[in-house]
Amino acid sequence: DAGVIQSPRHEVTEMGQEVTLRCKPISGHDYLFWYRQTMMRGLELLIYFNNNVPIDDSGMPEDRFSAKMPNASFSTLKIQPSEPRDSAVYFCASSLGWEGSYNEQFFGPGTRLTVL
Amino acid sequence: QQQVKQSPQSLIVQKGGISIINCAYENTAFDYFPWYQQFPGKGPALLIAIRPDVSEKKEGRFTISFNKSAKQFSLHIMDSQPGDSATYFCAASTGNQFYFGTGTSLTVIP
Repeated sequence: DAGVIQSPRHEVTEMGQEVTLRCKPISGHDYLFWYRQTMMRGLELLIYFNNNVPIDDSGMPEDRFSAKMPNASFSTLKIQPSEPRDSAVYFCASSLGWEGSYNEQFFGPGTRLTVL
Repeated sequence: QQQVKQSPQSLIVQKGGISIINCAYENTAFDYFPWYQQFPGKGPALLIAIRPDVSEKKEGRFTISFNKSAKQFSLHIMDSQPGDSATYFCAASTGNQFYFGTGTSLTVIP
């Protein structure tokens, strides 16, 4: 398996523009996670899905952020409109499940977002 | 509220030395404690993990020490190498809850 795939790897946009980040989880993984990483706040869980259904979106910072998972092999994280403070590295991760809490998460390479 | 508190924020160790990173938690329901390693430009990757029914787990040069009564656990890297230079995150989970620590940037000087 190629692992978790994220695109684009780098995104530079201007304030107010819409940004869409994409993720392909590892085949067979039932859980998908979106994280944001900044120097100030570290790794923050934004939202996670189980079998394509959003389970907990309490980490989504504002209504400008939305995430979807239309099928088991694809998820998007959208920011509209984007702001400079959204600049961060966004990671997608997937895991087989939560069986006995042994839930190794496999992370993608991340998308470095810069909002000017 | 930070569910998992990690220290130090950064650590510099000489090659061959021992690196020690500490984490503490409050929720006694946590039943899985992994450590993730992240190299620059990469996503975190699982390094080693422990369950609370054992006090220590060793994999090569990496050891987790777990103190259930103190609600603390730590990562020890023996014979630290420059290739170990990375950011290390502890984490704790139970059920569908998963929390990362704030990370420790480790630099091993040749």
